[in-house]
Amino acid sequence: NAGVTQTPKFQVLKTGQSMTLQCAQDMNHNSMYWYRQDPGMGLRLIYYSASEGTTDKGEVPNGYNVSRLNKREFSLRLESAAPSQTSVYFCASSDDPSTDTQYFGPGTRLTVL
Amino acid sequence: RKEVEQDPGPFNVPEGATVAFNCTYSNSASQSFFWYRQDCRKEPKLLMSVYSSGNEDGRFTAQLNRASQYISLLIRDSKLSDSATYLCVVNQAGTALIFGKGTTLSVSS
Repeated sequence: NAGVTQTPKFQVLKTGQSMTLQCAQDMNHNSMYWYRQDPGMGLRLIYYSASEGTTDKGEVPNGYNVSRLNKREFSLRLESAAPSQTSVYFCASSDDPSTDTQYFGPGTRLTVL
Repeated sequence: RKEVEQDPGPFNVPEGATVAFNCTYSNSASQSFFWYRQDCRKEPKLLMSVYSSGNEDGRFTAQLNRASQYISLLIRDSKLSDSATYLCVVNQAGTALIFGKGTTLSVSS
């Protein structure tokens, strides 16, 4: 049972380049999330998907887009990367967004030069 | 006022010590409360949920005071392996969790 997987683990981009971060979960969870974590800022929600076919903005959505491809997969896209998007990105999933534990992937460490 | 506030620490304690972390939250409608643990450069993992009646899991005790909007985590008999960052987490309007910035604990021998 892999839980939540993320690819890639590390990525270096130049300003203006685009990329997609992939996330998949095998726990049959309804809800999936994308967070970023910066030093001194804690975890901040970028986007979430409460169920397959729906997505909503979180606290810091600007510069990102998401796709809930199916129940298992939730991708995060940076269309034109900026140095301010240098961060660690975590994907998470849960069965019930109100009460259930969120399970996190191992993270993607992104540097934008 | 930030939604979830924690003392960032660091808390530096010797092995065997008892240490307590506190957390306050601003939304009185919050319904679910958790403590997560995050090791350096790793993903957060659930340590324990926090129930109104208080709950204990081995050396760890969590308490909730709804009237004061306050959550605590007590660690007894600290181990070297307890060194980590502890995140206070509160649900928000039934759709997403709000994470505190974390409290760093360092246990030394």
